[in-house]
Amino acid sequence: EVQLVQSEAEVKDPGDSLKISCKGSGYRFTTYWVGWVRQMPGKGLEWMGLIYPGDSETRYSPSFQGQITISVDKSISTAFLQWSSLKASDTAIYYCARVHPNGDSFDNWGQGTLVTVSS
Amino acid sequence: EAVLTQSPGTLSLSPGERATLSCRASQTVTNSYLAWYQQKPGQAPRLLISGASSRATGIPDRFSGSGSGTDFTLTISRLEPEDFAVYYCQQYGSSRQYTFGQGTKLEIK
Repeated sequence: EVQLVQSEAEVKDPGDSLKISCKGSGYRFTTYWVGWVRQMPGKGLEWMGLIYPGDSETRYSPSFQGQITISVDKSISTAFLQWSSLKASDTAIYYCARVHPNGDSFDNWGQGTLVTVSS
Repeated sequence: EAVLTQSPGTLSLSPGERATLSCRASQTVTNSYLAWYQQKPGQAPRLLISGASSRATGIPDRFSGSGSGTDFTLTISRLEPEDFAVYYCQQYGSSRQYTFGQGTKLEIK
């Protein structure tokens, strides 16, 4: 069974750094792109970027380029999403998701990580 | 990348009725790379349809997708109580860029 298990909820202060994780299992982790999607409170889905664990190639949405870093440690089948300096507007649920083999959609999703940024 | 506009914003129907959700793209969606997702409160999204019309694994056949070019439709033939949720369309463009629509809320009338 394909599973993506994300790290637990985080509460941070503005200006803090943060790295959240997404561990894949039940499939060959290195051969599927993994994406990240933001959902702000009460709002819709926004694609942030993705990474290919096999060679760490990354792609970012223009809306998030320069604001986040996506990385991977294939030795532990885990993708990461990180911020160097959080803002209150980063408060959201962040989902990781595996890209469908045909590339056009996200076929398996993590449970989501709630990030709260508040002073 | 294409901007996706979903309509209506909210759809109020009763169980047993037919639901028709629309997704319109601002430019042609290449190779009909258009997907649909269902999201229930407190849950992650679930893939329903990829490639505009291919049901994902385990999705009941009352869900169907159609369309090409810039106009796409998700149809739920006979609504079950568990189908009331928010539905998103999503397109895949060049250079591995993805865009979601703003969502349609399907609520019980």
